[in-house]
Amino acid sequence: AQTVTQSQPEMSVQEAETVTLSCTYDTSESDYYLFWYKQPPSRQMILVIRQEAYKQQNATENRFSVNFQKAAKSFSLKISDSQLGDAAMYFCAYRSSGSNYKLTFGKGTLLTVNP
Amino acid sequence: DTEVTQTPKHLVMGMTNKKSLKCEQHMGHRAMYWYKQKAKKPPELMFVYSYEKLSINESVPSRFSPECPNSSLLNLHLHALQPEDSALYLCASSPGPLKNTEAFFGQGTRLTVV
Repeated sequence: AQTVTQSQPEMSVQEAETVTLSCTYDTSESDYYLFWYKQPPSRQMILVIRQEAYKQQNATENRFSVNFQKAAKSFSLKISDSQLGDAAMYFCAYRSSGSNYKLTFGKGTLLTVNP
Repeated sequence: DTEVTQTPKHLVMGMTNKKSLKCEQHMGHRAMYWYKQKAKKPPELMFVYSYEKLSINESVPSRFSPECPNSSLLNLHLHALQPEDSALYLCASSPGPLKNTEAFFGQGTRLTVV
């Protein structure tokens, strides 16, 4: 079974600074998908960024980028120029590439952005 | 329309009540999900429907009964719940099997069982 580990229960960053959230995972599969979801106090899970395991290039979405190290099974999220609206719980998630629908989530990292 | 809409947003029910949660999407997605989320915990998968058929039941107690009347609508019927069932219930949808994109989530229903 796949497992996802987020070793930082809480992180804080100053507004306009950069922060990196860690995620490691364990799988025996070679093809899969990784996601970072954000859950603000409004409760809705919002996709931040996704990475296909077969792609070597790290995904980037505006101020959000990932450092995907497949051999090390590491998938960290970097948030640049942090904004107050980035404050939320961040979940790393894994999904197999086949017909298995299951998203396996990490325990989450609560990010605080200080003005 | 890229929304998953859940109603109601909040629900308080007694242990002998029967209530239903509703989830709707109009993105043409063929897979729909129910998740349960306790405070400060990740979501836990409960059920998955694929093409209106139940494909995954994660050993959920029978007091939770899912229903998928059509491809756009997903219900969760609740009966004889326990206080420990109080949680945020999230609905999600995705395009379907072998369509490798992310799941879209609704805002959830905050359920309190008294």
